[in-house]
Amino acid sequence: QVQLQQSGPGLVKPSETLSLTCSISGDNVSRNTAAWNWIRQSPSRGLEWLGRTYYRSKWLNDYALSVRGRMVFTADTSKNQFSLHLTSVTPEDTAIYYCARGWSLPDWSQGTLVTISS
Amino acid sequence: DIVMTQSPDSLAVSLGERATINCKASQSLLYSSNNKNSLAWLQQKPGHPPKLLFYWASTRESGVPDRFSVSESGTDFTLTINSLQAEDVAVYYCQQYLAIPLTFGGGTKVEIK
Repeated sequence: QVQLQQSGPGLVKPSETLSLTCSISGDNVSRNTAAWNWIRQSPSRGLEWLGRTYYRSKWLNDYALSVRGRMVFTADTSKNQFSLHLTSVTPEDTAIYYCARGWSLPDWSQGTLVTISS
Repeated sequence: DIVMTQSPDSLAVSLGERATINCKASQSLLYSSNNKNSLAWLQQKPGHPPKLLFYWASTRESGVPDRFSVSESGTDFTLTINSLQAEDVAVYYCQQYLAIPLTFGGGTKVEIK
């Protein structure tokens, strides 16, 4: 059974960088048929896919247009985890952030409520 | 982007009655490799992440009660909860995974009448 454990701060100041990490158990972050997604949820935007990272002989990333240019995904195979880094955050980035596995999203983390506020 | 449109936004159903949720995709979700629709149904209870109920439009995830059923016709998809139970109170989402960005419907909130 795959489990995703998310970690990171719940409060970030405007203009700073939001970083979240998703630790995987029961699967391998570099498995070459897997994909690892970041999704956020807010009352104004609903469920919003932010992007994914995956390994196909090299690391590849896909980003949603709404965050492209501000978002970077990284992966740490030694720790079997992947991370999100969102720069120049504004209050509009306030949301519950989730990591999730695959395409039909069978596995989700517990989520982190991230508030952007000074 | 593929737009997923759900209806209704909410519905209240008596215990033991049927709830029907509709989802329409703005384009075909047919995956050519297996001739199946790349459509998932998710259930989200308050304070919890979404939980997968069905994938490939009609494949039931392990542990999902058989009072949940689905149907599909072209770009129209339906989730039915037969004999609604109290534990079925939740928001239900459809989600397409044929193309990026992955997109979700706006959700249908199911409550007890």
